[in-house]
Amino acid sequence: SQTIHQWPATLVQPVGSPLSLECTVEGTSNPNLYWYRQAAGRGLQLLFYSVGIGQISSEVPQNLSASRPQDRQFILSSKKLLLSDSGFYLCAWSVGTGNTIYFGEGSWLTVV
Amino acid sequence: KNQVEQSPQSLIILEGKNCTLQCNYTVSPFSNLRWYKQDTGRGPVSLTIMTFSENTKSNGRYTATLDADTKQSSLHITASQLSDSASYICVVSASSGTYKYIFGTGTRLKVLA
Repeated sequence: SQTIHQWPATLVQPVGSPLSLECTVEGTSNPNLYWYRQAAGRGLQLLFYSVGIGQISSEVPQNLSASRPQDRQFILSSKKLLLSDSGFYLCAWSVGTGNTIYFGEGSWLTVV
Repeated sequence: KNQVEQSPQSLIILEGKNCTLQCNYTVSPFSNLRWYKQDTGRGPVSLTIMTFSENTKSNGRYTATLDADTKQSSLHITASQLSDSASYICVVSASSGTYKYIFGTGTRLKVLA
């Protein structure tokens, strides 16, 4: 069966520090991969999606970046965090088109 | 512009009661619609998926309906339980070149004993 792992689950980072959130998917090949952000009490905002290794599409201009070094690995990064980067970050995957999107457990980021 | 709107924003009901959540969408071309349940601090989990030709689909105590003509969907929860307390998110998929999911902001349900 397919599983998705996302870490770390919680982190508190000072303003201006770097960020790295990692996500891996097991049990499937060539998945579509996504990074979403959910601010408190708000809906999910798509940040990045990837349809293959090295193929990254950005939905929202920001100081975040994403990379896909391997087929089932998706990394969200920042060189310098802002207070506004605080939120709940979710990695997700799907296969093909029109199919169910599956989410990881999320990472709580607090920038102080 | 593709949009998904949900109502109410929040809802409080007593355990054992029924409730209905609403989702209106303006997404074109429409591919399918899903309802997700998101427990606090967790990732959303899919409850149901409905395609253009489907009107009703059930998953235990959850029943989703879809009216493709009026572009409305509802999620009915029967005999609510405390564990139903969560946010319920309507997600509509658009199939227009690059595949996209359009998320509603969710309905926050609180079930009280």
